[in-house]
Amino acid sequence: KAGVTQTPRYLIKTRGQQVTLSCSPISGHRSVSWYQQTPGQGLQFLFEYFSETQRNKGNFPGRFSGRQFSNSRSEMNVSTLELGDSALYLCASSSQPLDYTNTGELFFGEGSRLTVL
Amino acid sequence: GNSVTQMEGPVTLSEEAFLTINCTYTATGYPSLFWYVQYPGEGLQLLLKATKADDKGSNKGFEATYRKETTSFHLEKGSVQVSDSAVYFCALNSLTAGGTSYGKLTFGQGTILTVHP
Repeated sequence: KAGVTQTPRYLIKTRGQQVTLSCSPISGHRSVSWYQQTPGQGLQFLFEYFSETQRNKGNFPGRFSGRQFSNSRSEMNVSTLELGDSALYLCASSSQPLDYTNTGELFFGEGSRLTVL
Repeated sequence: GNSVTQMEGPVTLSEEAFLTINCTYTATGYPSLFWYVQYPGEGLQLLLKATKADDKGSNKGFEATYRKETTSFHLEKGSVQVSDSAVYFCALNSLTAGGTSYGKLTFGQGTILTVHP
């Protein structure tokens, strides 16, 4: 069974540009979450999607947005990039969203490493 | 709000040594607790979990017991191997009494473990 696939794996952008990251969940998984990982802040929650609906959003500015498609694939977009957006962006999928039916087992991809110059 | 505190790292051990990584938490609702592991160049993987007080999670020789009285979930292994070298994350997901999920995991800062032959 293929795992969570994130593309691109590495990318370099300059300040002010925008970026779109893609995530293909494990086949059959309908829930997708995004996390930002940095050395200073650790792992910070960005969004959770289930059946194309955003169920929860973390404490990030409006420059960070996301969406989920009918095939469960998800994208996140960061506009007007800042130096502080440099991070590893991790996507995770699960068969159910985080609630009583799934207390927290997420399957993570290898991440997209974004460098902003 | 919810928070997770892990012991300051990094941790360096010799093969076959005993491992303890401390984790304490604050949470509202009824938290489930997790340890995730991140091997070099890979995404996070669920190592073990416990969903209620006094539960013991175990996997691959690692164990952690959910201690509600001390709000702790310390990770232990009796004899570490070089292949255990990785970053270990303690995390929680807290559900409210009504069953509403926050839809996210709250992670600790991570502890880097290096095991030497």
